[in-house]
Amino acid sequence: DTEVTQTPKHLVMGMTNKKSLKCEQHMGHRAMYWYKQKAKKPPELMFVYSYEKLSINESVPSRFSPECPNSSLLNLHLHALQPEDSALYLCASSHSPTRGAFETQYFGPGTRLLVL
Amino acid sequence: AQTVTQSQPEMSVQEAETVTLSCTYDTSENNYYLFWYKQPPSRQMILVIRQEAYKQQNATENRFSVNFQKAAKSFSLKISDSQLGDTAMYFCAFMKLGETSGSRLTFGEGTQLTVNP
Repeated sequence: DTEVTQTPKHLVMGMTNKKSLKCEQHMGHRAMYWYKQKAKKPPELMFVYSYEKLSINESVPSRFSPECPNSSLLNLHLHALQPEDSALYLCASSHSPTRGAFETQYFGPGTRLLVL
Repeated sequence: AQTVTQSQPEMSVQEAETVTLSCTYDTSENNYYLFWYKQPPSRQMILVIRQEAYKQQNATENRFSVNFQKAAKSFSLKISDSQLGDTAMYFCAFMKLGETSGSRLTFGEGTQLTVNP
């Protein structure tokens, strides 16, 4: 089973709203990722959690706040977003065969976000 | 730093025909994986095939196979017996092995493949 789930599927929010995206996997993967993807472009890495610790932050604006409450769950908290933040937000996870390097990433279906 | 280049922004193929998507990459690393992911209009990024750089044998998954030329840094995807469901954006991706902070992927710009009935 290589399933990563994401909720909600679609989200519309105003620039003053606070919302959260949720990602879940039960594959025992210990790295989880957030990506932002614009139409017809490859995904851009935002954050990586490795063993529940933030390991990579690709200089993402502070209006995006990630959280990893446990090894199966990853959240992305959104606050005061701009219209240019409208995009598809993808979550992924990957496994480390030994406690060390991580391997293949498996992606969730994404959340389509529209900021008005 | 690694770069991945997909030189064909769009391709089309007739149903049941064979099509090859190109990908080249540049790296100084020796230990890495290469991937093809597909992203249909439904938007989920789906792993198609993986190639370990240390393996000389080309990876195959049913109708999908790769031609991995390590010296030339080329990694093309062949889709045989194309089906309408193969219509998608295809991304080639590079991953350096050994990163403990997470497996960082470098993507190409993608090839939009359309399978025509």
